[in-house]
Amino acid sequence: LAKTTQPISMDSYEGQEVNITCSHNNIATNDYITWYQQFPSQGPRFIIQGYKTKVTNEVASLFIPADRKSSTLSLPRVSLSDTAVYYCLVGDSGAGSYQLTFGKGTKLSVIP
Amino acid sequence: DAGVIQSPRHEVTEMGQEVTLRCKPISGHNSLFWYRQTMMRGLELLIYFNNNVPIDDSGMPEDRFSAKMPNASFSTLKIQPSEPRDSAVYFCASSNNLAGGLYEQYFGPGTRLTVT
Repeated sequence: LAKTTQPISMDSYEGQEVNITCSHNNIATNDYITWYQQFPSQGPRFIIQGYKTKVTNEVASLFIPADRKSSTLSLPRVSLSDTAVYYCLVGDSGAGSYQLTFGKGTKLSVIP
Repeated sequence: DAGVIQSPRHEVTEMGQEVTLRCKPISGHNSLFWYRQTMMRGLELLIYFNNNVPIDDSGMPEDRFSAKMPNASFSTLKIQPSEPRDSAVYFCASSNNLAGGLYEQYFGPGTRLTVT
């Protein structure tokens, strides 16, 4: 089971780009990298998923280097509403197996 | 789509009582997950169903916990008897695990359980 390490907390000012890096040194060949966002009193919300290189959607970008031992979630021009906990998860999406663990996450605080 | 529906949203019960939490996954999703979240332990996976069949229940804390999924549109998580340490927010999530979508999970609003 691949474990992940990410910073406990980060602060950022509004309008800045925020990069949250996650380490997953034991990532396996079939593992995907997935990021979730959770606001207080709500369930986690899927943000983005990738396997290698770069993935971009309307919310964020995910950068994955060639060795895949880390990944960086990039949030462009954050606003106060981006204040939340961000979770990095690594797991095998192959049918018949399920190993996906939410760690402590990174608490992002956006400051006006 | 209404998203994942959970009921009740809040539950307060006394120790020893039976508690039943309910979940309706998103239509068309074939995987369902029950999680528990506390400040101390974070978000823990309790059990995972695929096509209504329990695949992994290694996260279920003990025999007091049981989960069922009688059909594709309904699941229950039961605690009997309940204890104060079961107090937590319980989330249900669903996904479509075809085409690598297993980890794109959609979470419900959660049930906040308080056992006194």
